[in-house]
Amino acid sequence: AQSVTQLDSQVPVFEEAPVELRCNYSSSVSVYLFWYVQYPNQGLQLLLKYLSGSTLVKSINGFEAEFNKSQTSFHLRKPSVHISDTAEYFCAVTTISSGSARQLTFGSGTQLTVLP
Amino acid sequence: NAGVTQTPKFRVLKTGQSMTLLCAQDMNHEYMYWYRQDPGMGLRLIHYSVGEGTTAKGEVPDGYNVSRLKKQNFLLGLESAAPSQTSVYFCASRKTGGANNEQFFGPGTRLTVL
Repeated sequence: AQSVTQLDSQVPVFEEAPVELRCNYSSSVSVYLFWYVQYPNQGLQLLLKYLSGSTLVKSINGFEAEFNKSQTSFHLRKPSVHISDTAEYFCAVTTISSGSARQLTFGSGTQLTVLP
Repeated sequence: NAGVTQTPKFRVLKTGQSMTLLCAQDMNHEYMYWYRQDPGMGLRLIHYSVGEGTTAKGEVPDGYNVSRLKKQNFLLGLESAAPSQTSVYFCASRKTGGANNEQFFGPGTRLTVL
């Protein structure tokens, strides 16, 4: 079975400052990794994903994440945050052994609050 | 396309009452999922379905039942609600294929059991 740990439950940061949201996973087999974002009172939306290939993946709104197999991490970064980035961010993992249904295992979430 | 919709958006139940949450998707997706979201615990999978007429248990299935009579609908039932089932419930769907097919989530149902 796999598990996901998000080390920070709350991350406050000032507008235009850089931010890193940490995610570590545990799995005995190869994984696919995802970051989802949840804006207030909404469902989750996919932000970015790592399936294979380049270990650095990017989203359209300036976030990026790097898959580090040796450290079993998939940290999310943004060089300059905006007020509109305030949301809860979830790291998730699935594996080939999850079967065709590709059930996701989620971390506990990190609330990013961008301060003016 | 409406995507994934959930009804109702809010509900308050008394202990022992029953109710059904409806999830509908118009994307012709094969797979559908029910999650619950609790503070500090992320999302946990309750049940899922890989196609019409099939269902399977997830991580936290106790106290819930599901049905997938039509491809576009996935129902979550609580036969005898308990305060521990107070949560926000999310439905999701995805199409068949590889892991690059993302799950699409509905807006959620906030359930309070008194």
